[in-house]
Amino acid sequence: GAVVSQHPSRVICKSGTSVKIECRSLDFQATTMFWYRQFPKQSLMLMATSNEGSKATYEQGVEKDKFLINHASLTLSTLTVTSAHPEDSSFYICSADRGFDEQYFGPGTRLTVT
Amino acid sequence: GIQVEQSPPDLILQEGANSTLRCNFSDSVNNLQWFHQNPWGQLINLFYIPSGTKQNGRLSATTVATERYSLLYISSSQTTDSGVYFCAVDRGSTLGRLYFGRGTQLTVWP
Repeated sequence: GAVVSQHPSRVICKSGTSVKIECRSLDFQATTMFWYRQFPKQSLMLMATSNEGSKATYEQGVEKDKFLINHASLTLSTLTVTSAHPEDSSFYICSADRGFDEQYFGPGTRLTVT
Repeated sequence: GIQVEQSPPDLILQEGANSTLRCNFSDSVNNLQWFHQNPWGQLINLFYIPSGTKQNGRLSATTVATERYSLLYISSSQTTDSGVYFCAVDRGSTLGRLYFGRGTQLTVWP
């Protein structure tokens, strides 16, 4: 149990376009999901906390208008990178809280903006 | 926020060797998790261990919450153990927010 999926696993887009990444908890309901960004050979950086049915809470320095988060159901959260630029290229990872404070992570999405 | 320090940053082992990874944290925590990030980027839950000792096969972990550290033991290492090991803690104050250490890069040679 406790499987989290992400789609797509890899995406290449042109500068100026928007990209949507989906995060799903497959076998449990997640009131809270988290979005992280990871640069090569670095640790995970929390971008935002997503709560079902309410607005996301963004970390300091993360542009909420650029990284749109929607948590429409207890099993789905989406991250949309709007007007993507090359500096947005990164590895994006989501996690879901199954309860009991234990988080499970998706396999990640590698975004390349050309 | 809480500081999480992991050591060593890099570790190179021969297959079959044992190793100990350490995680120090600067404040009391509600929970602590160890993860293994494989070469494809997937984080795999190893242990949820806010205190005490747990074992799972060749891996075991111990957290001494009063002294603010946790140890991850890997015995008889295999090449498939290679990857980055992260320690992450939750202070219990903000909806389960995890604070990650910088990780230990483990390379196991055959």
